[in-house]
Amino acid sequence: GENVEQHPSTLSVQEGDSAVIKCTYSDSASNYFPWYKQELGKRPQLIIDIRSNVGEKKDQRIAVTLNKTAKHFSLHITETQPEDSAVYFCAASIRNAGNMLTFGGGTRLMVKP
Amino acid sequence: GAVVSQHPSWVICKSGTSVKIECRSLDFQATTMFWYRQFPKQSLMLMATSNEGSKATYEQGVEKDKFLINHASLTLSTLTVTSAHPEDSSFYICSARVAGQSMGQPQHFGDGTRLSIL
Repeated sequence: GENVEQHPSTLSVQEGDSAVIKCTYSDSASNYFPWYKQELGKRPQLIIDIRSNVGEKKDQRIAVTLNKTAKHFSLHITETQPEDSAVYFCAASIRNAGNMLTFGGGTRLMVKP
Repeated sequence: GAVVSQHPSWVICKSGTSVKIECRSLDFQATTMFWYRQFPKQSLMLMATSNEGSKATYEQGVEKDKFLINHASLTLSTLTVTSAHPEDSSFYICSARVAGQSMGQPQHFGDGTRLSIL
């Protein structure tokens, strides 16, 4: 089955700096890669996603890049703010597998004011 | 749109009790719902995929007789933890995918249920 590795597990940045979280996946059949933000005790919220037919997607301060050859994708947050502090999960979905998501281990992002 | 409601949000009960958790899609139909378990400071682990009108598909290592799943309508799936024990204490989250969407569409998550077994 699919295996998703996520790094780093914790990330501390100064407010205003950029944050980058990286994920690798094992199954080349994966075609959908969402990123979720989860605050303590709350539901995961989709913040951005990318499909395998594009290499980059941007939404204001958030961007995601995908390298299908290397089987890795990254989340980029620019101009970080304290409210960006949360746990971020990447995930991968395998084509023809019922849209089942395999999640990475998560990254705890702390933005210091 | 795409709101998923999960109930209850918090359960504390004695060992041996069975607990039912409901997951409802409020403004869309969901042929497929997913049940996850999340331990503190860990990732979401898929337990089972719930399909409307058919048997759920369980992930390896998840006891189907322990975690009963019923998906009787396009808007409701239930997870029953039977004869719960302290090791079953965890955060259980459901998600749903809008019916009819092609592959590669987001899952929408409920608020989760924190289960504590004494």
